Amino acid sequence: AQSVTQLDSQVPVFEEAPVELRCNYSSSVSVYLFWYVQYPNQGLQLLLKYLSGSTLVKGINGFEAEFNKSQTSFHLRKPSVHISDTAEYFCAVVNTGFQKLVFGTGTRLLVSP
Amino acid sequence: SAVISQKPSRDICQRGTSLTIQCQVDSQVTMMFWYRQQPGQSLTLIATANQGSEATYESGFVIDKFPISRPNLTFSTLTVSNMSPEDSSIYLCSVGQGAHGAFFGQGTRLTVV
Repeated sequence: AQSVTQLDSQVPVFEEAPVELRCNYSSSVSVYLFWYVQYPNQGLQLLLKYLSGSTLVKGINGFEAEFNKSQTSFHLRKPSVHISDTAEYFCAVVNTGFQKLVFGTGTRLLVSP
Repeated sequence: SAVISQKPSRDICQRGTSLTIQCQVDSQVTMMFWYRQQPGQSLTLIATANQGSEATYESGFVIDKFPISRPNLTFSTLTVSNMSPEDSSIYLCSVGQGAHGAFFGQGTRLTVV
């Protein structure tokens, strides 16, 4: 079975500062990795995904994430955040054969002016 | 991608009553998924709804409490039966898994009083 750990429940940051949201996963088989964002009172929106190939993946809204197999990590980064990036961010993993997504507990990004 | 319409977007219900949540997808899909997101927590898969067969429930969820219908390839309903305050959550419909990731409706915010 797979599992996902998001160590930071909340990350406060000032506008235009860089941010990194951490995600570690556990799996004995190959996986696909995802980051989702949930804005207040909305559903989840796919930010980016890692399937294979280049370990650095770019997503929407200027976000990117780097897959590190040796550290079993998939951290999300943005070089300069905006107030509008305030939201809940979820890391998720799926076994390439089992097809069921497993979500982390989420990290609330709070961007202040 | 898929566009998913979910309704109602929110509701306040009396304990002991039932609420049916509807999910409409703009394309035909084999499987639809229902998640629960309790306050401040991550997403938990309730069940997988396949057209033409009974839904498959995850551990801790039963059909009597969360009956699901899947009458065609673009529509599903989830009923939360005999509600108690512990059922207060966001309920999310989604489609897609595996390498494509999942697409979500905007969610139904349920408050049971």
